[in-house]
Amino acid sequence: DAGITQSPRHKVTETGTPVTLRCHQTENHRYMYWYRQDPGHGLRLIHYSYGVKDTDKGEVSDGYSVSRSKTEDFLLTLESATSSQTSVYFCATRETGNHGYTFGSGTRLTVV
Amino acid sequence: DQQVKQNSPSLSVQEGRISILNCDYTNSMFDYFLWYKKYPAEGPTFLISISSIKDKNEDGRFTVFLNKSAKHLSLHIVPSQPGDSAVYFCAASGRGGATNKLIFGTGTLLAVQP
Repeated sequence: DAGITQSPRHKVTETGTPVTLRCHQTENHRYMYWYRQDPGHGLRLIHYSYGVKDTDKGEVSDGYSVSRSKTEDFLLTLESATSSQTSVYFCATRETGNHGYTFGSGTRLTVV
Repeated sequence: DQQVKQNSPSLSVQEGRISILNCDYTNSMFDYFLWYKKYPAEGPTFLISISSIKDKNEDGRFTVFLNKSAKHLSLHIVPSQPGDSAVYFCAASGRGGATNKLIFGTGTLLAVQP
């Protein structure tokens, strides 16, 4: 979906380094989400945002932090990357009043 | 504890036949259910949804059935086409206020054989 851009699309990083993934939307949606996809686990919520500077934890938030300084950008930071954080990360947005999300194309992160 | 379960990791069907993908949930507070389709190297895309006040919703070849007493929903694809080959995720949301987080199942890989 051209309205949601995730960057980078692929990244390899070393254990212990900080990593920031970016999600940029042009939809002006209030709600934004970060999920990770892993085999056998499906999509699990890491953090979400319900407005500028308003964020909360999801089910797998340990080791991650987020920031949302403007409506269009939602950043996910791995404070000190570990091999267990090797995954595909998806950003999603939701328009107020709707149930469904629109997803970005994902970022494949490998921690070596 | 997995609140949304897809117990079949994979399913293989012949082109033209019916594909039935199943999903079970445990939380009776869920009131809206969605199916997403995902191709490799792409993000999930919305396919079809159903509110808990309904027991069926149809959109072309895709029909979702909801059995609230059994806490079970299913996605029927008729007729199946090779382009339907993808991972299908079931998702549910509850009366959780404005944040309305989606809880996803583990996915079912559908392979439609020509």
